[in-house]
Amino acid sequence: EAQVTQNPRYLITVTGKKLTVTCSQNMNHEYMSWYRQDPGLGLRQIYYSMNVEVTDKGDVPEGYKVSRKEKRNFPLILESPSPNQTSLYFCASGRTSGSGETQYFGPGTRLLVL
Amino acid sequence: AQSVAQPEDQVNVAEGNPLTVKCTYSVSGNPYLFWYVQYPNRGLQFLLKYITGDNLVKGSYGFEAEFNKSQTSFHLKKPSALVSDSALYFCACNDYKLSFGAGTTVTVRA
Repeated sequence: EAQVTQNPRYLITVTGKKLTVTCSQNMNHEYMSWYRQDPGLGLRQIYYSMNVEVTDKGDVPEGYKVSRKEKRNFPLILESPSPNQTSLYFCASGRTSGSGETQYFGPGTRLLVL
Repeated sequence: AQSVAQPEDQVNVAEGNPLTVKCTYSVSGNPYLFWYVQYPNRGLQFLLKYITGDNLVKGSYGFEAEFNKSQTSFHLKKPSALVSDSALYFCACNDYKLSFGAGTTVTVRA
């Protein structure tokens, strides 16, 4: 089954404790991205990757890091989480970064930073 | 710059009645418009998109959307709503990146 998977689905952590949220897709997509969803704000892009070893900042990159060492994986790293990073996070992938391309989303990771 | 707006935070309809979720867009070039749905505790699911061609786009689960260039709108519609259509709906545009509206919560009452 073609899908985007994320782990963990739920995470409670404390301020300053480094964490990684994994994302993997099995569709051989070149384009991958991370979003955070907050009430009333919709989804905002954190980082995106056009292909292996090519990443760039989205609209809200502060406090986050990413890497793209393999085509299928695109982990999101929070080096020192803070309470304002409490949110619902989605990973997405698309065949390319083209404007008409559909992006497919993972199930989401709900993060609470105490 | 590109953006979409969803003017209604919530839409409430009775089962069997028509459902409309509104979206307006602002893009500098050709609009590439999408609708996604988020069911409770689930990820976003793609419903449909407009790239070019017919102004009426048909998608999943009986949904359709009408592209109106003069009104810069891309409203999502379903002729007869089901209780199971209750969800959070997002409009998005993709010029050089995917930009989402704030979302509209749809509640369909039995």
